[in-house]
Amino acid sequence: SQQGEEDPQALSIQEGENATMNCSYKTSINNLQWYRQNSGRGLVHLILIRSNEREKHSGRLRVTLDTSKKSSSLLITASRAADTASYFCATDGHQAGTALIFGKGTTLSVSS
Amino acid sequence: NAGVTQTPKFRVLKTGQSMTLLCAQDMNHEYMYWYRQDPGMGLRLIHYSVGEGTTAKGEVPDGYNVSRLKKQNFLLGLESAAPSQTSVYFCASSRRQGAGYTFGSGTRLTVV
Repeated sequence: SQQGEEDPQALSIQEGENATMNCSYKTSINNLQWYRQNSGRGLVHLILIRSNEREKHSGRLRVTLDTSKKSSSLLITASRAADTASYFCATDGHQAGTALIFGKGTTLSVSS
Repeated sequence: NAGVTQTPKFRVLKTGQSMTLLCAQDMNHEYMYWYRQDPGMGLRLIHYSVGEGTTAKGEVPDGYNVSRLKKQNFLLGLESAAPSQTSVYFCASSRRQGAGYTFGSGTRLTVV
């Protein structure tokens, strides 16, 4: 069963605009990760935020985590056409010896 | 540094045929994973391994078997392929639980 659920399912913006994607999850976590997938390719790890962190930055990416609401958001600032991809959140639970559970993803389209 | 390599990249099978998907990583990672990706379903975990000689079932293990005889290799087998196993299969590895995953480029499998 899916732990994370991204919202919206699809997002279309113009170059230069900011893109915000949200992820909600159901159970407590150790950390939450965001991945990008370009069409026809494998997933690429973008950023990891631990359960005791509230915000993290990496270049044009900003991730927030609200464990009380069991939600996270990924903000991409000043979007570029090259940011066109699907974005997935993935959660790592507390149970030892388990794997990441991925959401269904948000498809971002950035037009020039 | 190749990262995670999956072979083959494409395959068409007839119903009832068997095949093995190979995943190889050169990063000395302990953990390895097999996911399948279907339209609108995100990534679902098939099997995973927390170390050489160990395997565990994921969310959708039926119809698949795995082996991790060497640390760098994780094999996914389909003993009797069914059309429902048409999917894109991704292998991934991580240094430890909770770390970011490195994904392969995927195997697109069609069962007719």
